[in-house]
Amino acid sequence: QQQVKQSPQSLIVQKGGISIINCAYENTAFDYFPWYQQFPGKGPALLIAIRPDVSEKKEGRFTISFNKSAKQFSLHIMDSQPGDSATYFCAASSRGGSEKLVFGKGTKLTVNP
Amino acid sequence: NAGVTQTPKFRILKIGQSMTLQCAQDMNHNYMYWYRQDPGMGLKLIYYSVGAGITDKGEVPNGYNVSRSTTEDFPLRLELAAPSQTSVYFCASSWVTETQYFGPGTRLLVL
Repeated sequence: QQQVKQSPQSLIVQKGGISIINCAYENTAFDYFPWYQQFPGKGPALLIAIRPDVSEKKEGRFTISFNKSAKQFSLHIMDSQPGDSATYFCAASSRGGSEKLVFGKGTKLTVNP
Repeated sequence: NAGVTQTPKFRILKIGQSMTLQCAQDMNHNYMYWYRQDPGMGLKLIYYSVGAGITDKGEVPNGYNVSRSTTEDFPLRLELAAPSQTSVYFCASSWVTETQYFGPGTRLLVL
């Protein structure tokens, strides 16, 4: 049973556009929601994360929006650049879960010049 | 700091062979993890450890074993390799926070 559902599977955006990736979760015990970025041939790296006590977190061009009642969170990449082309994973964990992260299946983002 | 290192980078195994994937971290993290990544399937947790001498199963532990004799090292053992174990394997570590730091991965092909 997949606990974190991520969509879309792939996304193509023009340079300067907005990229939006969505995730939904089922476990109401989740209290930490990170996004990881992975370039080809590399390991994932933490991009940005949010806790459910806030509805939005922004770091540069990257924003997480969080909707606790809908059990959804999304990543927005403003002014998308070709260098943002990567695979993005959402994840979730709960403090009672030994810090174990449950990952979504990933979204491959391609930003065309 | 080197962070999380993994060896080898790539390996071809024949069915039934065994091997050990090495993972080391120099950040003094107490938590360490092994994931496998298959195309379109995200990251699946194989085993994890909350400290030296303590390990536990993740979501997909069958066919694998781990040990954690030191804080720094967390090797993953494959016994009797099967084609279903063809994957990219990532090791990660973290302190008592959720931020996990990943290694560069080991690509394994079982033929």
